[in-house]
Amino acid sequence: EAGVVQSPRYKIIEKKQPVAFWCNPISGHNTLYWYLQNLGQGPELLIRYENEEAVDDSQLPKDRFSAERLKGVDSTLKIQPAELGDSAVYLCASSLVSAGGSNEQFFGPGTRLTVL
Amino acid sequence: AQSVTQLGSHVSVSEGALVLLRCNYSSSVPPYLFWYVQYPNQGLQLLLKYTTGATLVKGINGFEAEFKKSETSFHLTKPSAHMSDAAEYFCAVSLTGGYQKVTFGTGTKLQVIP
Repeated sequence: EAGVVQSPRYKIIEKKQPVAFWCNPISGHNTLYWYLQNLGQGPELLIRYENEEAVDDSQLPKDRFSAERLKGVDSTLKIQPAELGDSAVYLCASSLVSAGGSNEQFFGPGTRLTVL
Repeated sequence: AQSVTQLGSHVSVSEGALVLLRCNYSSSVPPYLFWYVQYPNQGLQLLLKYTTGATLVKGINGFEAEFKKSETSFHLTKPSAHMSDAAEYFCAVSLTGGYQKVTFGTGTKLQVIP
């Protein structure tokens, strides 16, 4: 079974430029997450999708960040314009959420963004 | 709201020695607890999880953790460290029932000395 796929793995851009990250979750997983991981920190949730619906985007900086999950499968996270402080690893995860389940999340390898 | 505290951002052990990574949680109700491992330039991989039932949980790669409600702890152990165990380890907590947000600790970087 293929795991969570993310691309690109690394991205270097100059500040004020746009950038986009792509995620393909595990087949059949209804819930998709985007996390931000700063150096030396644990992942912090940016947005969660249940199928096509963004059900928790309270931590997403909406002035510059946007996300979409068309058809409830792949997802794209965009930053426009990027700032120096956006340098971090962006992790995508997916899970099959069910009543009584433990919400075990499966993570992709992440995209390491460097903003110069 | 739930939270986790990982004691020690860096832990060093000799190869073959006991590994002990500490995690304390805060939760208003009995939680689900997780340990994840992250190797360099990779995503997080689930080591083990506690949901209900037996408080001693066995995971992959010889790791185990014990849920101690009285101490609000979920420490991760391995009897004998291997060089391949060098990685960063994250403790995480969520409430129970359907979807609940998972909150991660700040991580503990494990160094294994040959």
